[in-house]
Amino acid sequence: AQKVTQAQTEISVVEKEDVTLDCVYETRDTTYYLFWYKQPPSGELVFLIRRNSFDEQNEISGRYSWNFQKSTSSFNFTITASQVVDSAVYFCALSEVKTDSWGKLQFGAGTQVVVTP
Amino acid sequence: SAVISQKPSRDICQRGTSLTIQCQVDSQVTMMFWYRQQPGQSLTLIATANQGSEATYESGFVIDKFPISRPNLTFSTLTVSNMSPEDSSIYLCSASGQEGETQYFGPGTRLLVL
Repeated sequence: AQKVTQAQTEISVVEKEDVTLDCVYETRDTTYYLFWYKQPPSGELVFLIRRNSFDEQNEISGRYSWNFQKSTSSFNFTITASQVVDSAVYFCALSEVKTDSWGKLQFGAGTQVVVTP
Repeated sequence: SAVISQKPSRDICQRGTSLTIQCQVDSQVTMMFWYRQQPGQSLTLIATANQGSEATYESGFVIDKFPISRPNLTFSTLTVSNMSPEDSSIYLCSASGQEGETQYFGPGTRLLVL
């Protein structure tokens, strides 16, 4: 069963618009970690944020912000005032704390963000 | 944060041959993993590279096809054996200190099998 769902395949925006990427996850664990990674066209995977299941505080880092809501099992990501350099594929990932899942990342399908000037 | 390098960065190989990918971390890490990213797809975990013991493979991946070594806490190799065009993918190595800690990724190895 898919554990991380990123329903948006592609989002296209014009520069300076805000864009929100949805991530819904599924787990029976009470302790888990959620991540966002960015994969620009060059292909490397860039770490953006890690959040543990006990920390529901929203976080802001520059133009990036994250909204974690356990009640809806969502961990959404917003880019404010988007720029062309934000064009990339963004992945949400889940790490469960179970013996047979120790440390493993389960990735969503990814959302392609296209920012045009 | 760990800095991870991979060699080669890309390769074009003939079907039936094998390629070994190296992953080097700049510090000792507990966990190392190998992922595959097929064209236009997400990342799929191949296996956990265990230091001093056999790797732990995910469903759908077998040791004969993807033998993995991890001789120490900073280095691992993945071999893609008897390659076919379906093996054309990006192969990524990742590492973390312990479970739940951030996994950092290498730059990936782009493999094209003809």
